[in-house]
Amino acid sequence: KAGVTQTPRYLIKTRGQQVTLSCSPISGHRSVSWYQQTPGQGLQFLFEYFSETQRNKGNFPGRFSGRQFSNSRSEMNVSTLELGDSALYLCASSLLAGPYNEQFFGPGTRLTVL
Amino acid sequence: SQQGEEDPQALSIQEGENATMNCSYKTSINNLQWYRQNSGRGLVHLILIRSNEREKHSGRLRVTLDTSKKSSSLLITASRAADTASYFCATDLRGANSKLTFGKGITLSVRP
Repeated sequence: KAGVTQTPRYLIKTRGQQVTLSCSPISGHRSVSWYQQTPGQGLQFLFEYFSETQRNKGNFPGRFSGRQFSNSRSEMNVSTLELGDSALYLCASSLLAGPYNEQFFGPGTRLTVL
Repeated sequence: SQQGEEDPQALSIQEGENATMNCSYKTSINNLQWYRQNSGRGLVHLILIRSNEREKHSGRLRVTLDTSKKSSSLLITASRAADTASYFCATDLRGANSKLTFGKGITLSVRP
């Protein structure tokens, strides 16, 4: 089975721009979660989607949004980028919704905001 | 805010030695998970222990959970250079809007 894939792997943007990141979960997995990882704040939960519905959301501003498609693929969007948005963005998929199960992580998208 | 706090922040050992990493948390949990991350890459799930379990083994890994002390430990026996990575504990808070909350991680270096 193919693992979780994320595209692109690296991205450089400038302040004020917007960005869309993509995540394809493991086949059969219906839950996709997104995390932001920075040296200062560590790993922080952004949101979780299950069956095209946002199931849970972390404490991030409205500039961060996401969606999930009927094939379980997910995208997250960050608008009006700020320098502090530079981070490794990780998505994780699991068979079922919620944090009760093993999550399978993708390799991440490293976003640099200049 | 971080729910899980790992200890120590960094650990350096010789190949073949055992590595013990600790995680403490503040509120009641449903389960606790340990993950490994190799330099700047995705996380790999190691083990999940539920709140009603006290110990779990997986290969060279042994995890214990003490809910009375709100702490968990991860023991890696007979360490190898390939175990060099960052290790995170992640907790699922009981009663909260269920999501995994990660600690800041422990950097383990295994010297060959």
